[in-house]
Amino acid sequence: GAGVSQSPSNKVTEKGKDVELRCDPISGHTALYWYRQSLGQGLEFLIYFQGNSAPDKSGLPSDRFSAERTGGSVSTLTIQRTQQEDSAVYLCASSLAGHYSNQPQHFGDGTRLSIL
Amino acid sequence: QKEVEQNSGPLSVPEGAIASLNCTYSDRGSQSFFWYRQYSGKSPELIMFIYSNGDKEDGRFTAQLNKASQYVSLLIRDSQPSDSATYLCAVNGGANSKLTFGKGITLSVRP
Repeated sequence: GAGVSQSPSNKVTEKGKDVELRCDPISGHTALYWYRQSLGQGLEFLIYFQGNSAPDKSGLPSDRFSAERTGGSVSTLTIQRTQQEDSAVYLCASSLAGHYSNQPQHFGDGTRLSIL
Repeated sequence: QKEVEQNSGPLSVPEGAIASLNCTYSDRGSQSFFWYRQYSGKSPELIMFIYSNGDKEDGRFTAQLNKASQYVSLLIRDSQPSDSATYLCAVNGGANSKLTFGKGITLSVRP
């Protein structure tokens, strides 16, 4: 597709369950980012991928959060043993190669995660 | 700690007026600057970017950058009710291309 694709668009799960969120970036974009946005709050950076490696994972809030990227394309964000405070919209963005810092990021529609 | 600050808002303007949205940043080495628009319940949408001092115009939108004073602004001319949204300022200066976002300002255009 033309834009960043995220799935599922909505996810409701019980506290303590594991969840996987998927992001398919724009074709040709080597940089991929995950953000989290809680209701009425700003964007919280989680992790950045350049190709398959993650040079910056400083925003992951705890060791329950992990992410991987394979084939320089699709990325999966995994949250283990979910807690109610994990409820938020999880946004993925991608941009062209990160040699230049002036490349804009383009966002997907997000996954709205609700922990019961 | 790199910071990006935006007026707390909300900002309300009448239809047809100019809306002025301001943003300051702390990292003097910042290189690229972006404005995103986010409608309620939607994801951020890139509307403007600017890299050099001065003004950049695109339709009804003008981005203004002053690196000496470390501020970037967005002007929306002839504001329309459809411009009502939250506007996020984002600044990028690092080699890892990590954008730092402001908390956003909510604009309301009154018909």
